[in-house]
Amino acid sequence: DAEITQSPRHKITETGRQVTLACHQTWNHNNMFWYRQDLGHGLRLIHYSYGVQDTNKGEVSDGYSVSRSNTEDLPLTLESAASSQTSVYFCASSATGYGYTFGSGTRLTVV
Amino acid sequence: AQTVTQSQPEMSVQEAETVTLSCTYDTSESDYYLFWYKQPPSRQMILVIRQEAYKQQNATENRFSVNFQKAAKSFSLKISDSQLGDAAMYFCAYRSANTGTASKLTFGTGTRLQVTL
Repeated sequence: DAEITQSPRHKITETGRQVTLACHQTWNHNNMFWYRQDLGHGLRLIHYSYGVQDTNKGEVSDGYSVSRSNTEDLPLTLESAASSQTSVYFCASSATGYGYTFGSGTRLTVV
Repeated sequence: AQTVTQSQPEMSVQEAETVTLSCTYDTSESDYYLFWYKQPPSRQMILVIRQEAYKQQNATENRFSVNFQKAAKSFSLKISDSQLGDAAMYFCAYRSANTGTASKLTFGTGTRLQVTL
């Protein structure tokens, strides 16, 4: 069965370290997204991609980057982790015109 | 930019009763999609129901139905015969049908639903 997987499920890192969160989907979806979830804010869009080599900034992109070298993967990198980036991160994918499929999320704690 | 507002941070319902979660949105577009997602403690995001703006008929999925009022920009979720398994965070979300921005979902802040015996 097709799926979207995120890893790791939990991570603790130190302030200033570079961190990469993985997202892999086997749906063959063109569109992929990264959101962060914080209490009182819902889910906010960080970055998104409509296809290979395409990346775009969302509403809360500062301090984050993504790259899309193939259809299946959209890794999210925190260049220099900050305590404000402690959050739950969701990856999602969709085919154009259809709904989203979400990963199970990564809880990131920056200490 | 589109915004989605959920004004009820928390709601409570007794088992077997009916509860309605509110959602309003702001957009200048005429063609779009609206969604309700459920997030149980497992953290998984589960699509509950979807509504196309061009359809006047309210969407229904088993015990879940919506009241879509396009002119009022309102999209409420009604859960009938509430069950303990309905306890979760519920998110309302908007997506444009414009092909240039078609795939981005904008979420509300969520409503936490508690189901009591």
